[in-house]
Amino acid sequence: QQQVKQSPQSLIVQKGGISIINCAYENTAFDYFPWYQQFPGKGPALLIAIRPDVSEKKEGRFTISFNKSAKQFSLHIMDSQPGDSATYFCAASMGNTGKLIFGQGTTLQVKP
Amino acid sequence: DGGITQSPKYLFRKEGQNVTLSCEQNLNHDAMYWYRQDPGQGLRLIYYSQIVNDFQKGDIAEGYSVSREKKESFPLTVTSAQKNPTAFYLCASSIQAVYNEQFFGPGTRLTVL
Repeated sequence: QQQVKQSPQSLIVQKGGISIINCAYENTAFDYFPWYQQFPGKGPALLIAIRPDVSEKKEGRFTISFNKSAKQFSLHIMDSQPGDSATYFCAASMGNTGKLIFGQGTTLQVKP
Repeated sequence: DGGITQSPKYLFRKEGQNVTLSCEQNLNHDAMYWYRQDPGQGLRLIYYSQIVNDFQKGDIAEGYSVSREKKESFPLTVTSAQKNPTAFYLCASSIQAVYNEQFFGPGTRLTVL
């Protein structure tokens, strides 16, 4: 119930392509869904986040699509660049504890 | 890394020793968190604190202890009871727990020799 399942584990995309990473959850009480970007040896940085009252949120080249009925959400990176090569984590949180439940992560490699 | 500092960056410990990881924030955030990251896995919550002088166990608290005596500081002690302490440890903070948005520090890599 508390898990967030992320796929794929790794992803290779050509420069200029679209990178898509998917996450699924079970607990319908989750009400906050962030995506984090992490470079090797660094702490994760918040990329974009969404709440269940909207189905899509876009910030620059990054878009979250949210499907409440399917309990799934995804990150789309448009016009992927080599600088986007990193590990991406989805997460989910609920209520007032702020506790984040993380997916296992996706390692993205964008080839020039 | 936005106002959250963790020290040291690398830490080596002999088996049987306790070690304390530092986390300081100057963001005036009420809530602070400690996560553990292992290769190929997501972050797992060790402890969290929503306010000074209060903290709660996360999903993997066994073998760890924390204190929250000051708003800006949330040190984590890895005790000898932690069976597999080698990992990357990340501290995070948020304005208040209800606001969810967490900012992470640069991390401390702990290696047990």
